[in-house]
Amino acid sequence: KQEVTQIPAALSVPEGENLVLNCSFTDSAIYNLQWFRQDPGKGLTSLLLIQSSQREQTSGRLNASLDKSSGRSTLYIAASQPGDSATYLCAASKAAGNKLTFGGGTRVLVKP
Amino acid sequence: NAGVTQTPKFQVLKTGQSMTLQCAQDMNHEYMSWYRQDPGMGLRLIHYSVGAGITDQGEVPNGYNVSRSTTEDFPLRLLSAAPSQTSVYFCASSRTPTANTEAFFGQGTRLTVV
Repeated sequence: KQEVTQIPAALSVPEGENLVLNCSFTDSAIYNLQWFRQDPGKGLTSLLLIQSSQREQTSGRLNASLDKSSGRSTLYIAASQPGDSATYLCAASKAAGNKLTFGGGTRVLVKP
Repeated sequence: NAGVTQTPKFQVLKTGQSMTLQCAQDMNHEYMSWYRQDPGMGLRLIHYSVGAGITDQGEVPNGYNVSRSTTEDFPLRLLSAAPSQTSVYFCASSRTPTANTEAFFGQGTRLTVV
């Protein structure tokens, strides 16, 4: 059974600092790895999707890497802003169809 | 562009009552799913559907029923609510079950069973 872990559970950084968020998974036979953002009381917003054949994916200030052999993905957010404060979730898809296994999330606070 | 719409946003039920959580998407997505989010447990898959008329169980299906009569709608039914079903429920959709496509989530339904 796939298990996804995100450590730390919470993170606080000053504005302008780069953010590094970690995600580890136990079964390397994934279809894709997705990163989401969740604001308090809201739904999940997709940030990046990395296919199993890819090593990284970029969108603006966000960059996500994937290392299947070590069972790890990392989300980098450059030059953090207070608006980046949210919970970030990673999820692994075992097979086509987006049956996602989620990590517990990392709650990020960017202090002005 | 509505995306994935869930109703209601909040609901309080008494133990033993039944109700249906509604989910609709306007993106013509084939794949739809329901998750529940609990503190310390993360999001867990309840049921999913790869197209109209086809549904299957996820990780935590007990106490829930689903049906998919149209591409757009995927309601989740609680037959006899229990306090253990107190949770935030999210509906998600993605374009096709056979490709790498991102999942779109609704805003959630916060359910309390007393």
